Amino acid sequence: ILNVEQSPQSLHVQEGDSTNFTCSFPSSNFYALHWYRWETAKSPEALFVMTLNGDEKKKGRISATLNTKEGYSYLYIKGSQPEDSATYLCAFTHSGGGADGLTFGKGTHLIIQP
Amino acid sequence: KAGVTQTPRYLIKTRGQQVTLSCSPISGHRSVSWYQQTPGQGLQFLFEYFSETQRNKGNFPGRFSGRQFSNSRSEMNVSTLELGDSALYLCASKGGHAVETQYFGPGTRLLVL
Repeated sequence: ILNVEQSPQSLHVQEGDSTNFTCSFPSSNFYALHWYRWETAKSPEALFVMTLNGDEKKKGRISATLNTKEGYSYLYIKGSQPEDSATYLCAFTHSGGGADGLTFGKGTHLIIQP
Repeated sequence: KAGVTQTPRYLIKTRGQQVTLSCSPISGHRSVSWYQQTPGQGLQFLFEYFSETQRNKGNFPGRFSGRQFSNSRSEMNVSTLELGDSALYLCASKGGHAVETQYFGPGTRLLVL
């Protein structure tokens, strides 16, 4: 059974502050790591797909890093805004490839306080 | 391009009944995956269809089944509904390659009474 852990489970951050959270996944048979943002009453929205150890991806104020050897990824949000409030999910694909579907963590619920 | 659509959006059924949910992928996408989300469990993979064939299946009982049509639209069926099947069911589509981004639909919320 593949286990993807995300921490913290929830996070309250003051508007303007920067924050980060963690996704841990099995380091063996790694294939890809996905990050999604899921706002209430909307569909999960893809942020990043990362495949290579040391990968860094950036989209506006959000960035992510990947360490496949130790099995973790960080998501960073710089200068948090109220619209960043959402649940952030990471999902792991092992080297069986996409045919095995994504194994999701339970998410980090981020609340930005004005 | 239109996004992934799912119908119906909400559904109420009683125990023992069966239900069919529908998913229309983004045009050109051949892979459709289904996920279940229940409180405290996160998103769990049900199965994936690619070119009308089930490519893989998650750890769910045989009451959960699916199919895909030649136009890539997919249906998911749950027979003999149980209270624990109450959940949000999401489908996601992608072109077909392993590391492609999956695009999610808005989901169908099923309540079993």
